[in-house]
Amino acid sequence: EIVLTQSPATLSLSPGERATLSCRASQSVSTYLAWYQQKVGQAPRLLIYDASNRATGIPARFRGSGSGTDFTLTISSLEPDDFAVYYCQQRSNWQGFTFGPGTKVDIK
Amino acid sequence: QVQLQESGPGLVKASQTLSLTCRVSGVSIGSGGHYWSWIRQHPGKGLEWIGCIYYSGSTYYNPSLKSRVSMSVDTSKNQFSLKLTSVTAADTAVYYCARTFVMVAIGDGWFDPWGQGTLVTVSS
Repeated sequence: EIVLTQSPATLSLSPGERATLSCRASQSVSTYLAWYQQKVGQAPRLLIYDASNRATGIPARFRGSGSGTDFTLTISSLEPDDFAVYYCQQRSNWQGFTFGPGTKVDIK
Repeated sequence: QVQLQESGPGLVKASQTLSLTCRVSGVSIGSGGHYWSWIRQHPGKGLEWIGCIYYSGSTYYNPSLKSRVSMSVDTSKNQFSLKLTSVTAADTAVYYCARTFVMVAIGDGWFDPWGQGTLVTVSS
């Protein structure tokens, strides 16, 4: 079973700062990893798929990178709208889709 | 654009069956090319994939829920449905439906877009 862990659990930053979020898989998932943003009271929104491809309409300040077991979501300069919870997600043929526990980015 | 809308009872009694429907607009389920998933989120917690279905009726379920889950699709109404039997308080959650991109031959897939979600509370 592939387990995703995310760190840190909470990231306290100010608008304009750079955010670096980590997702680690318990075994290699190649580049088959997605990232989502969830704001309070809203459904998750796809940001990144296949580790580094931005979804339609996602601003360039969101960048995904990594392969194998270590992945990073970088937000180059936080805007007020970016304070939210971020989840990583993978799919395997035997266990289906799983999500990481999330990283909350809050205002410092 | 593609939109999804969940509907169903917001309150279900323990031991009974939870039934939800997701109506899809902006794309035809019957045209294929995508799976359609149910995902839930327990209050204040993370995300749990329940299962997905193709327009043909082919399904994949979360192994941890497989014994209680069934999904169906109605291409004429452009909607798909979830049934979860023998519910307990642990099934209280916000339930989302989502279009699902699946690369069957490899371990790849993601969800886009999602419905707004519907809260289902299991009462004793």
